[in-house]
Amino acid sequence: DTEVTQTPKHLVMGMTNKKSLKCEQHMGHRAMYWYKQKAKKPPELMFVYSYEKLSINESVPSRFSPECPNSSLLNLHLHALQPEDSALYLCASSHVTSVHNEQFFGPGTRLTVL
Amino acid sequence: DAKTTQPPSMDCAEGRAANLPCNHSTISGNEYVYWYRQIHSQGPQYIIHGLKNNETNEMASLIITEDRKSSTLILPHATLRDTAVYYCIAARNDYKLSFGAGTTVTVRA
Repeated sequence: DTEVTQTPKHLVMGMTNKKSLKCEQHMGHRAMYWYKQKAKKPPELMFVYSYEKLSINESVPSRFSPECPNSSLLNLHLHALQPEDSALYLCASSHVTSVHNEQFFGPGTRLTVL
Repeated sequence: DAKTTQPPSMDCAEGRAANLPCNHSTISGNEYVYWYRQIHSQGPQYIIHGLKNNETNEMASLIITEDRKSSTLILPHATLRDTAVYYCIAARNDYKLSFGAGTTVTVRA
């Protein structure tokens, strides 16, 4: 299984809602990533988890709250988002065993904040 | 990580080789060149990486100049499915990737 799955595929939420994005992989990867991609822009790294611990937070606002409950699962909890947070949210995973660890990306969740 | 510069777009003919240039004139000695691509409506996909030697895999070849200030990704026989945005990234490792604007490659029949 070389797939990263993300649910839901699409999400529409209001600015007062609380929602969560889910990412799952069964490749035995111990690094997992969240990226944000605005339309016609490159992906931007948000968070990196290594061995289920947060290792990189790229100064992301606290309305985005990541969680890694186990080695296969990564969540992104959303609360009080703004319309400018509308974007494609990509999850990726990789091994952490050497300098070069190919990242495998999921198809993303397209988020619209009204 | 060193900044990379790529042409915003390029066309190539199906069945021909596609040569994608990347400039990384400020690359440091311990930074690698990574290439990823993103097909429309999909997540990015790893293609290849290299330090100073040329590299080849089943998807592409990577040619890095001797001074390491630029590189070229070669797709040997482009197909319509190779239409994508191609990202060239210079980084010490691929744990923390910083994607630039990339090159939009359109393969035409």
